[in-house]
Amino acid sequence: DGGITQSPKYLFRKEGQNVTLSCEQNLNHDAMYWYRQDPGQGLRLIYYSQIVNDFQKGDIAEGYSVSREKKESFPLTVTSAQKNPTAFYLCASSALAATNEKLFFGSGTQLSVL
Amino acid sequence: GESVGLHLPTLSVQEGDNSIINCAYSNSASDYFIWYKQESGKGPQFIIDIRSNMDKRQGQRVTVLLNKTVKHLSLQIAATQPGDSAVYFCAESRSGSARQLTFGSGTQLTVLP
Repeated sequence: DGGITQSPKYLFRKEGQNVTLSCEQNLNHDAMYWYRQDPGQGLRLIYYSQIVNDFQKGDIAEGYSVSREKKESFPLTVTSAQKNPTAFYLCASSALAATNEKLFFGSGTQLSVL
Repeated sequence: GESVGLHLPTLSVQEGDNSIINCAYSNSASDYFIWYKQESGKGPQFIIDIRSNMDKRQGQRVTVLLNKTVKHLSLQIAATQPGDSAVYFCAESRSGSARQLTFGSGTQLTVLP
């Protein structure tokens, strides 16, 4: 089945620890995105990538890092610099680079702090 | 309608009734609008989209209406079913070098038996 796979579904982070969230897509989409969702709020863009080996900061990039070494993969690292990391993280992709119309989303990763 | 904040707007409807979820946007340059449905603990699913050169678009049991004059978007769900219970988000974007979707905070729809 084509789609976007995020793992793990639940993740716990200790103080001072970096954690990495996985996102893989087999839709052959050029563009990939990471969003953060807090309870009762909309989605906020963390990072996006329109092409392999290139990515741009979104609205709330501080404390996060990404890489795009392969078209299929766009992992997100939540660093120790992110002081309030507890949130639901959503990865998405779209077919058209330089646009993000009609995003296809993964099932999300819930990150909590121990 | 949707708003920024910690408390989601809520809408409760009886099963079988029609639902109308509203969304206001602020950027008059926005030319693409999209509705997503998100069930608890899951990622958003695409419902329907519309471009600014249209006022209305219909899908299966859903209709999106766009009023550019007052910058208002609505999603109508016909014959609402229990499976329609979810949070509904609108999002907008405008053409440019890096088109980005801006999401509203969502509306919680609850379908009553």
